[in-house]
Amino acid sequence: QKEVEQNSGPLSVPEGAIASLNCTYSDRVSQSFFWYRQYSGKSPELIMSIYSNGDKEDGRFTAQLNKASQYVSLLIRDSQPSDSATYLCAVIDFGNEKLTFGTGTRLTIIP
Amino acid sequence: DAMVIQNPRYQVTQFGKPVTLSCSQTLNHNVMYWYQQKSSQAPKLLFHYYDKDFNNEADTPDNFQSRRPNTSFCFLDIRSPGLGDAAMYLCATSRDIGDRRGNEQFFGPGTRLTVL
Repeated sequence: QKEVEQNSGPLSVPEGAIASLNCTYSDRVSQSFFWYRQYSGKSPELIMSIYSNGDKEDGRFTAQLNKASQYVSLLIRDSQPSDSATYLCAVIDFGNEKLTFGTGTRLTIIP
Repeated sequence: DAMVIQNPRYQVTQFGKPVTLSCSQTLNHNVMYWYQQKSSQAPKLLFHYYDKDFNNEADTPDNFQSRRPNTSFCFLDIRSPGLGDAAMYLCATSRDIGDRRGNEQFFGPGTRLTVL
């Protein structure tokens, strides 16, 4: 049974600082990794995908993947109040259509 | 803009009264999914279609059925809703499976179901 673990938070970060969100997964065959942002009462929005070890940057967001440690993280630079949301980590096996989600980390950016 | 559309956005039904939720997509994706999400929980996969090939999760109750009459549309039927079925129902699509870029899933806005 694949497990995806996230600290549920809440994680409070001052505006302008770096928010760091972490996720670990149990299954070594996991191949694709995703971060979704979900505002309260809304649906998940895909913000980052990462497939290879290392860093991937997109604007203020950086995803980091370490397959040896079974660890994926999301850094949000210059945090804004609009970044306040729940962030869901999700993993998928290559050739398997099923996303396994973590329970999410609730992030609050303090003005 | 290409998108995933769900109707209605809010649905109120009575205990035991059948309800149908709809999803359409303009992304021309092969795979469509239905998830159930309850408050403070992760989305839970109910079914998915790869083209017309239907795949049911082992723990999806028989009370839930799905139809995909064509590539663009998919329906979720709840035959006899119970109080425990109150949740957000999310439709998602992906271009393909077995393809690292193609397996990104994009969600519609969801339908909030209330059961009285």
